[in-house]
Parts: sequence; structure tokens; C-alpha cells
Amino acid sequence: AQSVTQPDIHITVSEGASLELRCNYSYGATPYLFWYVQSPGQGLQLLLKYFSGDTLVQGIKGFEAEFKRSQSSFNLRKPSVHWSDAAEYFCAVGARLAGTASKLTFGTGTRLQVTL
Amino acid sequence: GAVVSQHPSRVICKSGTSVKIECRSLDFQATTMFWYRQFPKQSLMLMATSNEGSKATYEQGVEKDKFLINHASLTLSTLTVTSAHPEDSSFYICSAVLLETQYFGPGTRLLVL
Repeated sequence: AQSVTQPDIHITVSEGASLELRCNYSYGATPYLFWYVQSPGQGLQLLLKYFSGDTLVQGIKGFEAEFKRSQSSFNLRKPSVHWSDAAEYFCAVGARLAGTASKLTFGTGTRLQVTL
Repeated sequence: GAVVSQHPSRVICKSGTSVKIECRSLDFQATTMFWYRQFPKQSLMLMATSNEGSKATYEQGVEKDKFLINHASLTLSTLTVTSAHPEDSSFYICSAVLLETQYFGPGTRLLVL
């Protein structure tokens, strides 16, 4: 069974500082990997995803993530955080299933607080 | 692109009544949609997989007779909470699948009094 670990429950950074949110997964092969962001009372917005190819993935809002197979990690980064980035961030893993939409396994989330 | 809507955004109902929540993919067709439940400050819990034209597949522990799912078209799935009770109060979120990626709706806040 697949699993996702987000070790940091809560992170606080200053506006303008860099950010890295950690995500480790457990899966027998290379899974589909996703990062989503959720603002309070809202649904989830897709930031970026990795299916194959270049292991450094660019997403929306200036975010990027790097897939490291050897470390089973898919950490999310942003060089300069904006106050509007304060939200809950979820890493998710999906199995590669031919012809079938895969279920996602979510991490427990990391709450990002941005100080001015 | 890949916009998913939910209606209503919030609903308050009396205990014992039924509530229907709609999930629509606005600019794409989705053979598969998923329904999740989220408790405060927690991650998403998958309730069921909704496939167009077939019966939904429920996760272990989810009562299929209580949470009725209908995926009647490629753009619409509905979740009906039957005989709702206060413990059913929660945030319900749907997603629709496009090219192996789940796109989420804005969620529905259900409060059962």
C-alpha cells in the first residue's frame, strides 16, 4: 500500500524568505506525485504534478518540486514566499493504473504561516 | 481550464432530512469523480469513487446506503446524505479526473442540527 509522510505539521516563514515543504512517500514503483494547496474553507488547488521525465517540476504561483527516487521524496520549494501563500499544503501519491483513474493517498498536510 | 464546481457551498439541515450535493466538471468530461470528507484541521478521507454509468465504489467503513452517489452524466456526480445526523456534519469535497489528475471542487460545508 502507498503512503505519504509530511513531517512538518506547521511551518512559519517570513515574507520574502525561501520555503521548502517536505514530502516522503512509500510505493513499490514510481507513482504519480502531486502537490495541492488549500486555503481555509476552500477546495484543493493543484500546484504541480510529476508523472515522468524531468525530475524538477515547475508549477503555478512560482512553486517547484523535485522528485528524488533515491530518497522517495517530492519536496516543494519556493524561492520567495508571499503573504498570500499562507495555506495548508498537501502532498499526494497516486498509483499508476492503466486505464483507470487512480485514488490518491494524501499526507497529513503542512500548515504554512507567513509573517510580515 | 479543469474547473470543478460544487453546489451548494454550505447547507444547514435538520436531523433526519436528506441533503444532495452536486459536483460538476464545467469544462471537461470526467468518467471518474471522487468524493472526500474532511474534518477540521485534518487531511482528506476518501469516501467513494464515482464512475459514470456504473455503481459507485465505497471505501471500507463508508455506509453506501447513507451516502448515495449517482454519476448520471460525464459532467455531474451527486452525493446524497440520507437521514442526516449531527455526526454527518463535515466538509465534503469532490474531485473530477482529467488526464490522470484530480481537480477539486470548492467543497460543501454541511451542518446538521
